[in-house]
Amino acid sequence: EVQLVETGGGLIQPGGSLRLSCAASGFIVSDNYMSWVRQAPGKGLEWVSVIYRGGSTYYADSVKGRFTISRDNSKNTLSLQMNSLRAEDTAVYYCARDMTTVDEYWGQGTLVTVSS
Amino acid sequence: QSALTQPPSASGSPGQSVTISCTGTSSDVGGYNYVSWYQQHPGKAPKLMIYEVTKRPSGVLDRFSGSKSGNTASLTVSGLQAEDEADYYCSSYGGSNNYVVFGGGTKLTVL
Repeated sequence: EVQLVETGGGLIQPGGSLRLSCAASGFIVSDNYMSWVRQAPGKGLEWVSVIYRGGSTYYADSVKGRFTISRDNSKNTLSLQMNSLRAEDTAVYYCARDMTTVDEYWGQGTLVTVSS
Repeated sequence: QSALTQPPSASGSPGQSVTISCTGTSSDVGGYNYVSWYQQHPGKAPKLMIYEVTKRPSGVLDRFSGSKSGNTASLTVSGLQAEDEADYYCSSYGGSNNYVVFGGGTKLTVL
């Protein structure tokens, strides 16, 4: 059974760093396109980042230079390193597999709150 | 990385049909047949309802259908039921370095 479980969210002060993880089961992370998508409280969905099968990575302009997506093949996990956090980064962060295809699958999300 | 344009709200009575539009550009909706639609109930993760413009994942009822004309995609919900009341988001592939772009969401109310 396919499962994605996000962890690592919490309360962090502006300017701080946080690392989110997404543990996958039922499939191999490196065989798929893996993304992070976020949703600010009461707002819409926003794509954040993607890592392709070959390892290429891309970011939304709003996080470019501050966030880094990566995967650990030995642990079958996806990560998002978030630096220089701002209040506007407050959101539920979802990891997702193979967006735009029939094999798309989302986790349940982890909440990141950036506040002093 | 502009968002796709959706109406903020839509409504219909039980049994009626409602159509939600999603307007992009030739760089996203108009350029690829990779438009998806999601249903999201409060506090829940989005659920994929339509992918590749018109296709339904297994388990999604045929009351949900998708279409596209030019730079505008549409989701039609037929035979409205109370449980269809939710937020609906469209998305489109936007190229390798703008992987997915979302619409702002439409709140569907079943009257």
